[in-house]
This record gives sequence, C-alpha cells and structure tokens, in this order.
Amino acid sequence: DQQVKQNSPSLSVQEGRISILNCDYTNSMFDYFLWYKKYPAEGPTFLISISSIKDKNEDGRFTVFLNKSAKHLSLHIVPSQPGDSAVYFCAASGSGGGADGLTFGKGTHLIIQP
Amino acid sequence: DAGVTQSPTHLIKTRGQQVTLRCSPKSGHDTVSWYQQALGQGPQFIFQYYEEEERQRGNFPDRFSGHQFPNYSSELNVNALLLGDSALYLCASSLGDTDLYGYTFGSGTRLTVV
Repeated sequence: DQQVKQNSPSLSVQEGRISILNCDYTNSMFDYFLWYKKYPAEGPTFLISISSIKDKNEDGRFTVFLNKSAKHLSLHIVPSQPGDSAVYFCAASGSGGGADGLTFGKGTHLIIQP
Repeated sequence: DAGVTQSPTHLIKTRGQQVTLRCSPKSGHDTVSWYQQALGQGPQFIFQYYEEEERQRGNFPDRFSGHQFPNYSSELNVNALLLGDSALYLCASSLGDTDLYGYTFGSGTRLTVV
C-alpha cells in the first residue's frame, strides 16, 4: 500500500525549459511534504518543502504547489539546468515531523537534455 | 563541517548471518533515523533514535534493531539475514526528534546478501 506515489519513473526535459514533477498521496494525516534530490552514490539532499497550511512555496528556481483536496503536489523547476539531472523523491510526514519518519515515493529520474 | 558518516560503504554477507552498520551524525545533531532503500524503491523508515532510545519504528521485523551511544552515533543491527535485506541503508541525522527540515542523509551502506 503505497501512501506516496510518483507515477513517472523518468522525465526528460530540454535545458532552459520548465520541469514539472508530480506526486500523489493517500494519507490525509500527512502535514508536511518535502522534495529531495539524489545523485548516484550520494544520500538524498533536501530541496524544498511545504506544510499543509500553504498551497505554494518558492525558493529560487524551485516552486512546490500543494492541492490538498486532490492530495497532489508538484515541483516546478524553471529554468531547468544540466545540474538538475538527478532522481527526485517526494516525501511526506505527519504532525510529529521527523518523529513520524518520512514516507517516500519511488522517485522520478529527471534528465535535462542540452 | 563533517556531514553524516556511514560505514562501511559496501558489505557482502551470507544469508542467515548478522550485520552491524554504523552512523555518525552531523556535528550538532542528536537524533538518528535509519532507512532502507531497495532497488527501484524510495527509502523506507526503519526507526529513529533520540536520547539513546528507539522513539518510532516503521514496519520492520524485530530482526532489525539499533542502538544510540552517548556521543549520538548509532548502529543498525540486522539478524538472520534474508536475501530480501539486500538494499542501500541510509542514516539521517537531525536536531531533536521532531526536526524535519534539518534532516541530513549520509551516502549509505550498500548491503548485499548472497
């Protein structure tokens, strides 16, 4: 029973264009949502987050949108750069924050084409 | 400033054996969480250690146990290894058991059970 789903295993985008990564969740008790980026042979690194009281959070080229009624969030990267090529994980947590542990999706491999 | 350090980086064990993985948290962090990432999957929460106690546990059997030392470092022990335990084991450290945004992952230990 996957509570966090990333239905696109891979996504190819041209450099300079917008990358949109999607994530769906089923557990309505999730309060915090995070995106992590992972390069090969490295651990995941925190990218951006959003809490359930917001519907948008922006940090430079990265914006996360949350649609609570649809239980859907998306990560927008604009403009996409070659260094953005990595696996992106969507993760969620309950009101206990880190004490609840993070529930991850399977990840989306983003490939930025020159 | 040293990040999260995990050892060893790679390990091969035989089915039925026992294994111990080690994690040193990022400087200033006092909480350690362990995750298992199987091939093609997202990381799965095993448990969290805070104040030398197991605080939360994911859906993992008792064969998985851990320990946290007074210097905040941690060990993950897996007994009676199964082929299905082959995975990347990630350690994450944070400041306090509820901290979410400061979650910092190590590069992981790749365990292969043969």
